[in-house]
Amino acid sequence: SYELTQPPSVSVSPGQTARITCSGDALPKQYAYWYQQKPGQAPVLVIYKDNERPSGIPERFSGSSSGTTVTLTISGVQAEDEADYYCQSADSSGTYHVVFGGGTKLTVL
Amino acid sequence: QVQLQESGPGLVKPSETLSLTCAVSGYSISSGYYWGWIRQPPGKGLEWIGSIYHSGSTYYNPSLKSRVTISVDTSKNQFSLKLSSVTAADTAVYYCARDRYLGAFDIWGQGTMVTVSS
Repeated sequence: SYELTQPPSVSVSPGQTARITCSGDALPKQYAYWYQQKPGQAPVLVIYKDNERPSGIPERFSGSSSGTTVTLTISGVQAEDEADYYCQSADSSGTYHVVFGGGTKLTVL
Repeated sequence: QVQLQESGPGLVKPSETLSLTCAVSGYSISSGYYWGWIRQPPGKGLEWIGSIYHSGSTYYNPSLKSRVTISVDTSKNQFSLKLSSVTAADTAVYYCARDRYLGAFDIWGQGTMVTVSS
């Protein structure tokens, strides 16, 4: 089955740049989406269609794509950005279905 | 603004059917978009269960397809999930969400915890 691979954890100091990667064979053909989830809360969409930012999401969140890897970049990380981040895409090789990555815990030191 | 609210039993016995409903306010389901269900076992990641188009077309996670039914009731502006033959592995927080592009969940409900136990 199709998988999206994320690092389990990323740590950065406040004000630095955090980069969270997501790898998957179908990413060159399907858009990627990124979600932020804080403890006890529902996920929030922070990036859609690889690099688009929904209204209300701070400009420090950005997305990029290169081949089979997509990257969520958080510039000038703030303490409030500490959360789990999930990438999500789709697999259309057989029956179309949606896939989430395993999630990355971002720790702000 | 658009809001989604899950409802249903918080406890289901093994082998029985889990049934949840998602009530949508601030937007008419019949106007468009897909509508999806996602779950999250305690301490684990997100798993897509399936999505339904406003017209009724359904898309399911292949790993759950044999047990899942998602339906929509436009007259009540809600959509529903049924998961049959549940086991302890189905214990999770279940979220409903608006799905803009069949895999782009832009608005989520708060989630509801469902425990499978006798």
